[in-house]
Amino acid sequence: SQQGEEDPQALSIQEGENATMNCSYKTSINNLQWYRQNSGRGLVHLILIRSNEREKHSGRLRVTLDTSKKSSSLLITASRAADTASYFCATMGGAQKLVFGQGTRLTINP
Amino acid sequence: KAGVTQTPRYLIKTRGQQVTLSCSPISGHRSVSWYQQTPGQGLQFLFEYFSETQRNKGNFPGRFSGRQFSNSRSEMNVSTLELGDSALYLCASSGRQGGADTQYFGPGTRLTVL
Repeated sequence: SQQGEEDPQALSIQEGENATMNCSYKTSINNLQWYRQNSGRGLVHLILIRSNEREKHSGRLRVTLDTSKKSSSLLITASRAADTASYFCATMGGAQKLVFGQGTRLTINP
Repeated sequence: KAGVTQTPRYLIKTRGQQVTLSCSPISGHRSVSWYQQTPGQGLQFLFEYFSETQRNKGNFPGRFSGRQFSNSRSEMNVSTLELGDSALYLCASSGRQGGADTQYFGPGTRLTVL
């Protein structure tokens, strides 16, 4: 079963704009990870944020985590056509096991 | 370092057959996890192996099994295939011995059951 929900399910923006995706989860976590998937291929790890962290940056990516609200957001700034993909959040509790959301399908229009 | 590799990349089987998928983790990684991805159920955890022992298991029937070898390579087996087993099967490896850590995914094996 899925841990939580991602919002929106699909997002279409113009190149150069920022994209924000949200993720909610249900149980306590050790960390939360964001992944990208292009056209049904393998998952590419983007960023990991631990439960005691509130914000993390990596290049054009910014992730926030609010454990009191059991939610996270992924911001991609200055989007590019190559950012078109599906984005998944995944939570990890005590076990080495990821529980994924349903994903957000992001389309960047040139 | 080379990434996670999975073989074969594509498979077509018929109902009732069995299939074995293989995964080679990143060199030095000892934890290997398997996930199933379908349009209806999304990404779901199958099982995780560490040092040749199954450490975690998802909610899948006993037709799904796996094992890990001493070189950390892993295989998963699905017996008596059903149409609903058609999916992308993803393998991931992780480097830390304990605790939660980043999982690095392979390209997946796309299984089609006819």
